[in-house]
Amino acid sequence: EDKVVQSPLSLVVHEGDTVTLNCSYEVTNFRSLLWYKQEKKAPTFLFMLTSSGIEKKSGRLSSILDKKELFSILNITATQTGDSAVYLCAVLPVESDYKLSFGAGTTVTVRA
Amino acid sequence: NAGVTQTPKFQVLKTGQSMTLQCAQDMNHNSMYWYRQDPGMGLRLIYYSASEGTTDKGEVPNGYNVSRLNKREFSLRLESAAPSQTSVYFCASSEVAVTSGNTIYFGEGSWLTVV
Repeated sequence: EDKVVQSPLSLVVHEGDTVTLNCSYEVTNFRSLLWYKQEKKAPTFLFMLTSSGIEKKSGRLSSILDKKELFSILNITATQTGDSAVYLCAVLPVESDYKLSFGAGTTVTVRA
Repeated sequence: NAGVTQTPKFQVLKTGQSMTLQCAQDMNHNSMYWYRQDPGMGLRLIYYSASEGTTDKGEVPNGYNVSRLNKREFSLRLESAAPSQTSVYFCASSEVAVTSGNTIYFGEGSWLTVV
């Protein structure tokens, strides 16, 4: 069974801090990894990673995948209170075009 | 720009009652999904529909049925609700399969409590 583990489960930081979130996976025949941000309601898409070592960047958020060590990290620099959310990691195996396996998420709280 | 719309947003059911969660998307997407989200467990796929006219089981299909009514609509039915089905349910859609670089767009969730 595919397994996606996110760490830490939660963290509290102050505005301006840098945050690093981890996602490790045990997936037979890995295809891609996705990051989502969930603020109370619908998860919204952040990144999709398929190739190892290539950083994806969007503003203050960036993510990278290590297919050899089976993990990904999501970095948020210069955090703002609007970054407070649950960050979800999901993995897609080769044998399914549709079945994402999600981790339990990391809750990030940014204090002013 | 509605995206993915789910109804109802909140529902309380008694054990054994039935109900249907409705979902519609206006993005002309081919694929639709139903997930449930429980504390500490992340999102789990219940059923999905790769395209109009097809449905397939996900990770946790027991106790649920689905109908892909047309390209826009995908409903989830609980025939005999159980307290274990208390959860937040998310409908989602994608243009085609996730593998094509298309991501999944989620609705805002339906909070279901079974007492």
